[in-house]
Amino acid sequence: DQQVKQNSPSLSVQERRISILNCDYTNSMFDYFLWYKKYPAEGPTFLISISSIKDKNEDGRFTVFLNKSAKHLSLHIVPSQPGDSAVYFCAAASRGNAGNMLTFGGGTRLMVKP
Amino acid sequence: NAGVMQNPRHLVRRRGQEARLRCSPMKGHSHVYWYRQLPEEGLKFMVYLQKENIIDESGMPKERFSAEFPKEGPSILRIQQVVRGDSAAYFCASSMGENTEAFFGQGTRLTVV
Repeated sequence: DQQVKQNSPSLSVQERRISILNCDYTNSMFDYFLWYKKYPAEGPTFLISISSIKDKNEDGRFTVFLNKSAKHLSLHIVPSQPGDSAVYFCAAASRGNAGNMLTFGGGTRLMVKP
Repeated sequence: NAGVMQNPRHLVRRRGQEARLRCSPMKGHSHVYWYRQLPEEGLKFMVYLQKENIIDESGMPKERFSAEFPKEGPSILRIQQVVRGDSAAYFCASSMGENTEAFFGQGTRLTVV
């Protein structure tokens, strides 16, 4: 039972264009959402997060949107750069239950072409 | 300020042997989490520990797997009598508190031959 899903295993985008990565979740207890970036043979690196009391959070080129009614979030990267090429994981937590246990999606491999 | 340190980075074990994976959290962090990533999949939560306590082990297989985070020293994930299906990347994360950001180590890639 996958509680967090990333339905696109891969995405290819031209440099300087916008990258949009999507994530859906099923557990209504999730109240905190994160995006991680992962390069091969390295650990996930935290990118950006959003609490369920917000619908948007922005940090430089990265913006996360949360649609609670649809149980959907997305990560926008603009402009995309070749160095953004990596696997992106969406993760969710139920902080009301305490703890930082994260439920991850399966990841989306982003390729930004020069 | 060193990040989360995991060792070894790569570990090869024969079926039936024991694997011990170590994780030193970031300085000042007393919360440790272990995750496993099978090939072509996302990370799956295994266990959450604080110093000398297992807080949540709902993601741990019931047999052969154990974890500890002693008062002194690193957190250890121990897999007894490894099988081929245990081959995966094991990631440790640490955080300062329950609801603060967790930072990941570079992982240990376990290969069972």
